Amino acid sequence: AQSVSQHNHHVILSEAASLELGCNYSYGGTVNLFWYVQYPGQHLQLLLKYFSGDPLVKGIKGFEAEFIKSKFSFNLRKPSVQWSDTAEYFCAVNAADRGSTLGRLYFGRGTQLTVWP
Amino acid sequence: DAGITQSPRYKITETGRQVTLMCHQTWSHSYMFWYRQDLGHGLRLIYYSAAADITDKGEVPDGYVVSRSKTENFPLTLESATRSQTSVYFCASSEVWTVTAEQYFGPGTRLTVT
Repeated sequence: AQSVSQHNHHVILSEAASLELGCNYSYGGTVNLFWYVQYPGQHLQLLLKYFSGDPLVKGIKGFEAEFIKSKFSFNLRKPSVQWSDTAEYFCAVNAADRGSTLGRLYFGRGTQLTVWP
Repeated sequence: DAGITQSPRYKITETGRQVTLMCHQTWSHSYMFWYRQDLGHGLRLIYYSAAADITDKGEVPDGYVVSRSKTENFPLTLESATRSQTSVYFCASSEVWTVTAEQYFGPGTRLTVT
C-alpha cells in the first residue's frame, strides 16, 4: 500500500521565521502531489498541487513546495510565516493503482503549525 | 452557501447506538468520499461514491454504512457505534476522480463515542 510520511507532528515558530515541512511518499509510479491546510474551525482547503513540469510549485499565501523525485519528497516551504498561518497541514499523494485511471488520495498524518506573534 | 457542508459538527453518542453523519454538496459533483482522521493515521478513506446509487468500500469500511439516493447527499451511518470509531470525519467531493482531480472537503464532524 502507498504511504505518506510527515515527520514533523507539531512545529512551533515565531512570526517571520522560515518554514519547511517534510513530506515523503512511497510509490514508484506516477504520482500527483498536494498540500492541504486546515485553519482552526474551517474546511480542509488546497494550498498547492504538483502534476508535472516545474518541480517547484507555488501556491496560495506565499507557500511553495518542491518535488524531488529521487528523494520521493514534496516539502512545503514558506520564507516568512505569519500568525495567521497557524493551522494543520496535510500532505497527500494521488496515485493510480496499476492499470487504473482512478486516483486514490493518500494522506499523511498532518503537521500542526503554531506561529507565535 | 455553495460548497460542502457536514452536520452535525460535533456529536457525542454512546456505545451501541446508531448515528448518522450528514454530508451535502451544492456543486453536483459526481464523486463523494468519507474519510476519518485519527492521531497517527492521517485521513483514511472509509467509503466513496461515483454517482447516485453507486458506492464502494475504501480502506476502513467496517462498521459503517453509506447510501446515496441523491447526488448532493452522502450520509454515513455507524450502525452500532464503538469507542474505536471516535474520530473526526471528513466528507469530500470531486467533479471527476482521476489522479489529477482535486477533492473539496467539508469542515468535518468530531464524533465521540463513550
